[in-house]
Amino acid sequence: TQLLEQSPQFLSIQEGENLTVYCNSSSVFSSLQWYRQEPGEGPVLLVTVVTGGEVKKLKRLTFQFGDARKDSSLHITAAQPGDTGLYLCAGLITGTASKLTFGTGTRLQVTL
Amino acid sequence: GAGVSQSPSNKVTEKGKDVELRCDPISGHTALYWYRQRLGQGLEFLIYFQGNSAPDKSGLPSDRFSAERTGESVSTLTIQRTQQEDSAVYLCASSLIRATGELFFGEGSRLTVL
Repeated sequence: TQLLEQSPQFLSIQEGENLTVYCNSSSVFSSLQWYRQEPGEGPVLLVTVVTGGEVKKLKRLTFQFGDARKDSSLHITAAQPGDTGLYLCAGLITGTASKLTFGTGTRLQVTL
Repeated sequence: GAGVSQSPSNKVTEKGKDVELRCDPISGHTALYWYRQRLGQGLEFLIYFQGNSAPDKSGLPSDRFSAERTGESVSTLTIQRTQQEDSAVYLCASSLIRATGELFFGEGSRLTVL
C-alpha cells in the first residue's frame, strides 16, 4: 500500500507554462517535505511545511499544505528548463515516529 | 568530506553473489536512512537508524537484506544471494534532527545484477 500518492506521474511542458503537482494521503502528516532529484544525484530538499494551511513561496515555486495536513501541492510559475527533474514529497506520518515516507514521484520535463 | 559519501558508486555483480554497500554520513548526524530507487521510480524505504535505538527494519524486502551501523558512524547495507530484481540505485541519507529535519542524500550506489 502506497501511503503517499503523487499526481501526475509524468509532465512534459514548454518553457513559460505553469504547472501543479499534488501529493495526497489518507493519513495525517506531522510534517511534509518536497525534494527535487536530478539524474545521477540524490534528492535535495526544497521546503518543509508543518502547519495545516501553510503556504510557502520559494521564487517561482509555491508550496501549500492542506488544512487537514493530509495533502500538499507544489505550483511552479513560468517553468524553465532548469526545473526539469523528479519531484518527491515526503511525509512524517502521525503514528510512524521514525521514518520519512516518500511519495511515488512526479517526473517533470520542461522544454524550450 | 562535507556531504554523505556512498561507495561503490557503481557495482555490477552476478546473480547469487553477495554485495556490500557503504554509507558514510555527515559527521554528527544521528539519523541514517537507506532507500531503494528503481529506474524512473520514487524512493522505497528500507531501514532507519536513530542513535543507539533499535533500527526500524520494516522496509527490508526479504531476509537477504541486512544493514548495520556502529554508533553514529558508517553504515553498511548487505544483500545476500543477489537477484536481478535487486538491481536499483541504493540511496543513503542522514539527518541531524529526527522529526522534521532535512535529509541529506548521497549520490547513491547503482547496483546491476546480471
